[in-house]
Amino acid sequence: ETGVTQTPRHLVMGMTNKKSLKCEQHLGHNAMYWYKQSAKKPLELMFVYNFKEQTENNSVPSRFSPECPNSSHLFLHLHTLQPEDSALYLCASSPTDAVSSEQYFGPGTRLTVT
Amino acid sequence: KNEVEQSPQNLTAQEGEFITINCSYSVGISALHWLQQHPGGGIVSLFMLSSGKKKHGRLIATINIQEKHSSLHITASHPRDSAVYICAVRIGWGFGNVLHCGSGTQVIVLP
Repeated sequence: ETGVTQTPRHLVMGMTNKKSLKCEQHLGHNAMYWYKQSAKKPLELMFVYNFKEQTENNSVPSRFSPECPNSSHLFLHLHTLQPEDSALYLCASSPTDAVSSEQYFGPGTRLTVT
Repeated sequence: KNEVEQSPQNLTAQEGEFITINCSYSVGISALHWLQQHPGGGIVSLFMLSSGKKKHGRLIATINIQEKHSSLHITASHPRDSAVYICAVRIGWGFGNVLHCGSGTQVIVLP
């Protein structure tokens, strides 16, 4: 138990659906991250939020829309996804977004797009 | 080409054996992370290094900044060490620093 929770743990959605992934951290951290891990590809950083402000967007398609209403919660809104978006989506948090800040990962949401 | 290369891609060891995983990177970095991912997906951050060596229990991580190389060692390996180990490097400082991850090394420790 890392103090970072993600819901749902598994999600199957059609290409026309709209769904949201939720991440919550109980560690008092100020930075939160979304990562994508596709089969046989390296872990990819998608978004970084620090004090609720987005500080990094790693050229992620607009069909992925992050939202950070406060430092404890991070959402990833999904719409009109493609089958190649099927992956494990991991959330992480750290005290700050500085290089020296250790990240704590959630268990991930395994997404399947049909 | 990925900025981060790990070797080996797969490794099988007998319980008790010493395991080494290597990570090489091609650019200047500000920090290097070793992550452990268990079946099912959960990731644990094992180490964050910017120089030298760190030890935690049976795990040891080293980094050589000049040679752009890091190693993760597992001493007296145990079946519960079976996981994917990921090397990730941070490029840049502060705002806008970017994280690049290696493809991971699948480790299986047999009893």
